[in-house]
Amino acid sequence: SAVISQKPSRDICQRGTSLTIQCQVDSQVTMMFWYRQQPGQSLTLIATANQGSEATYESGFVIDKFPISRPNLTFSTLTVSNMSPEDSSIYLCSVVPQEIDTQYFGPGTRLTVL
Amino acid sequence: AQTVTQSQPEMSVQEAETVTLSCTYDTSESNYYLFWYKQPPSRQMILVIRQEAYKQQNATENRFSVNFQKAAKSFSLKISDSQLGDTAMYFCAFMKHGGSNYKLTFGKGTLLTVNP
Repeated sequence: SAVISQKPSRDICQRGTSLTIQCQVDSQVTMMFWYRQQPGQSLTLIATANQGSEATYESGFVIDKFPISRPNLTFSTLTVSNMSPEDSSIYLCSVVPQEIDTQYFGPGTRLTVL
Repeated sequence: AQTVTQSQPEMSVQEAETVTLSCTYDTSESNYYLFWYKQPPSRQMILVIRQEAYKQQNATENRFSVNFQKAAKSFSLKISDSQLGDTAMYFCAFMKHGGSNYKLTFGKGTLLTVNP
């Protein structure tokens, strides 16, 4: 597997502001993903973070709202822009280690927007 | 497209007893992976067990085992000797084998409560 950390673990933000979430892995990985989990719900994939190029977004998610960076094989950021209370969720990153066809998840970031 | 269905939104079990969580899926793929993840109140998603569709033998990890019925497209999780720490949301997930996708399709989850 891989050791994955996320910062911050939780935050409370004001409407209209932005928050950047970091995901760090202890080894080089093939793939990195970002998910949103709304209260009491399953996980929804936001995008695939591509190393050195623009992320690939799922239907319903756009780059202006959720810009993603992945400058190398072990690090990625997700920004939640111009936040509204509807953005209150848990945001999780996941990784697929090299030569292992399995996703492993970070500890998640609990975001509350007031 | 794949779908994953977990028909039990909530279940409960007494400590030390055995419980089975159900999962069915629909796919036209012949080669794929199936997973069970656990999400305790701490919110971290933890991999419980993985099954490769081409393997007939059911996967086992300590107290956790699966009953994989490929023809029926069923993938249930059995937890033996339930412990209080097993209290969590359990998600069944599907991943297509091959290619460079690695995307997961999740079920809606089953909330399992282990009672003392």
